[in-house]
Amino acid sequence: GAGVSQSPSNKVTEKGKDVELRCDPISGHTALYWYRQSLGQGLEFLIYFQGNSAPDKSGLPSDRFSAERTGGSVSTLTIQRTQQEDSAVYLCASTLGRGADTGELFFGEGSRLTVL
Amino acid sequence: AQSVTQLDSHVSVSEGTPVLLRCNYSSSYSPSLFWYVQHPNKGLQLLLKYTSAATLVKGINGFEAEFKKSETSFHLTKPSAHMSDAAEYFCVVSSNDKLIFGTGTRLQVFP
Repeated sequence: GAGVSQSPSNKVTEKGKDVELRCDPISGHTALYWYRQSLGQGLEFLIYFQGNSAPDKSGLPSDRFSAERTGGSVSTLTIQRTQQEDSAVYLCASTLGRGADTGELFFGEGSRLTVL
Repeated sequence: AQSVTQLDSHVSVSEGTPVLLRCNYSSSYSPSLFWYVQHPNKGLQLLLKYTSAATLVKGINGFEAEFKKSETSFHLTKPSAHMSDAAEYFCVVSSNDKLIFGTGTRLQVFP
């Protein structure tokens, strides 16, 4: 597709379950970012990939959160033993080169996670 | 560390009147600054960017922003608001290979 694709668009889960969120970046984009958007709290940086490597995973809130990227393309964000405070919209973005230089990240529409 | 502060969580204007969304930055060196817009149920989109080439930056949809080092500000303006400008606006600074977002300003435009 032409843009960044995220799935699922909506996920409702029970506390304690694991969830996987998927991101398909724009073809050829080497950098991939995950952010979390909570109500009234703006966007919170989670992790950044350059190719398959994650030079910066400083934003992951706890060891329940992990992410991987394979083939320099698709990325999966996994949240284990979900808690209610994990409820948020998880946004993925991609860009050519180093996104922080150009500032132009291309965002998907997000995966809305609700933990009951 | 770089950071941005958006001074207003909500701004309301009438259609046809000027828009001012305020942003102050904190940086130990000359920063790269951006404004993003998020329309309801749409993805975030880059509105404009400052990377030290010119202090007055023009973006899409008639928006512009001025970098003022003396005031550490990067306010977003538009001379005349349109109903379609209603959205959430984020001031953003580049820091260590990632973008740091402000908390956002929700712009409401009344007819």
